[in-house]
Amino acid sequence: GNSVTQMEGPVTLSEEAFLTINCTYTATGYPSLFWYVQYPGEGLQLLLKATKADDKGSNKGFEATYRKETTSFHLEKGSVQVSDSAVYFCALSGGQGGKLIFGQGTELSVKP
Amino acid sequence: KAGVTQTPRYLIKTRGQQVTLSCSPISGHRSVSWYQQTPGQGLQFLFEYFSETQRNKGNFPGRFSGRQFSNSRSEMNVSTLELGDSALYLCASSVTGNTEAFFGQGTRLTVV
Repeated sequence: GNSVTQMEGPVTLSEEAFLTINCTYTATGYPSLFWYVQYPGEGLQLLLKATKADDKGSNKGFEATYRKETTSFHLEKGSVQVSDSAVYFCALSGGQGGKLIFGQGTELSVKP
Repeated sequence: KAGVTQTPRYLIKTRGQQVTLSCSPISGHRSVSWYQQTPGQGLQFLFEYFSETQRNKGNFPGRFSGRQFSNSRSEMNVSTLELGDSALYLCASSVTGNTEAFFGQGTRLTVV
């Protein structure tokens, strides 16, 4: 079945450091891919998405490229801020209506 | 435009009781999905409703049920609560279920 695997956290970075959170997936067909972010005590917020191979999603300085050949959707940001501290979830939608399959989440902590 | 609204935000229930959670989707969204989030299992899909019909269902026991009304508002019910049902329950809405999903802030259920 479809699945998503994320790098384990927690990830601790200094402010202005470069961020990469790895995400790989297993899916049949052509899933859509998403990154969601969850701040403490909150629900999930959609950060970015990509719906087909080679698409690049971007938002608030974060980017991720849908790589079908490596089945990956790694999240990157060139310069993180303290306010980026949160848990990040990679997810896929395999065309089964509103069902999202999530990775286990990666906690990011950014220190000043 | 109002976001996804979940009520209540917090609930404390006793083992064996039942509980009903409510979700009001974004106006115009016809798909509502429910997820359970726990530290051990992460984010797990419960079910999805579209136009008042359950379209997808995850691997949860029959104690977990839901419904959707003609205005797209949805409720989920958990009967005979167990300690292991303690979790954050998240609702997400999307236009059709095959587009990006937007999440509410969740209902934190504690079973004692």
